[in-house]
Amino acid sequence: NAGVTQTPKFRILKIGQSMTLQCTQDMNHNYMYWYRQDPGMGLKLIYYSVGAGITDKGEVPNGYNVSRSTTEDFPLRLELAAPSQTSVYFCASSSSGTPNTGELFFGEGSRLTVL
Amino acid sequence: KNQVEQSPQSLIILEGKNCTLQCNYTVSPFSNLRWYKQDTGRGPVSLTIMTFSENTKSNGRYTATLDADTKQSSLHITASQLSDSASYICVVSGRSQGNLIFGKGTKLSVKP
Repeated sequence: NAGVTQTPKFRILKIGQSMTLQCTQDMNHNYMYWYRQDPGMGLKLIYYSVGAGITDKGEVPNGYNVSRSTTEDFPLRLELAAPSQTSVYFCASSSSGTPNTGELFFGEGSRLTVL
Repeated sequence: KNQVEQSPQSLIILEGKNCTLQCNYTVSPFSNLRWYKQDTGRGPVSLTIMTFSENTKSNGRYTATLDADTKQSSLHITASQLSDSASYICVVSGRSQGNLIFGKGTKLSVKP
C-alpha cells in the first residue's frame, strides 16, 4: 500500500523561485494536511482540506497556497521562496469525522532548502 | 496559550532497558492525545490515540498513560530495542479547534 506519497524528497531553491510540492494519497481520505517541521520545533499546520474543493488556512499559511481538485491530490505551492521557508514539509491524511479525531497518516517528507 | 511540553529533550538508554517519556499539556477543552514515533528522515507514525476517558493504551512494547485531571501523559517503552531509536512526539487535540498541538519531541537513542 502506497499510503501518502510526497514528491520531491529533496529540493534546493533560490530566493524568489517558485515550486510545488506534490502530495497524493490512495486511502480515499477526506482530510488532508500540510505541515512544516523546523529543527527542534513541533510540527506546524500550514493548510488543510476537508474535501475536494475545500481548503482552509492553518497556523502558518503565509507564503503558501494550496488547491484540492480531487480527493487524492493536495499540492502545496510556494511562491517567491524565502530562506524562512527552509524546512521539512509533511503531507498527511485522515479519514475520521473531524480533523481533530482521526488518525493521521504522514508522507515521508520533502526537505526544502532556500538559498 | 495551548502548549504541549515534552521531557526529557533527549535520552540515551542501553538495549533491553525500559524508559518513560513525559508529556504535559495545557490544551483545553481536551479531545484526545496521541503519541507518534518518527524515525530519522521519515514521517511520524501513530503509536496510540487516547480520549479523555482512557487511562492506559498499549501497542506492543509501548504503553501510554493519560491523566486528564493533571494534564499529563507518559509513554513507557519496555525491553527497548535498537529500532526504538527515534523521536517520540506527543500531540494534543482540543475539542474546539481544527488543529493539533505538537510537542517538540523526545529523541531516544538505544545503544547496544
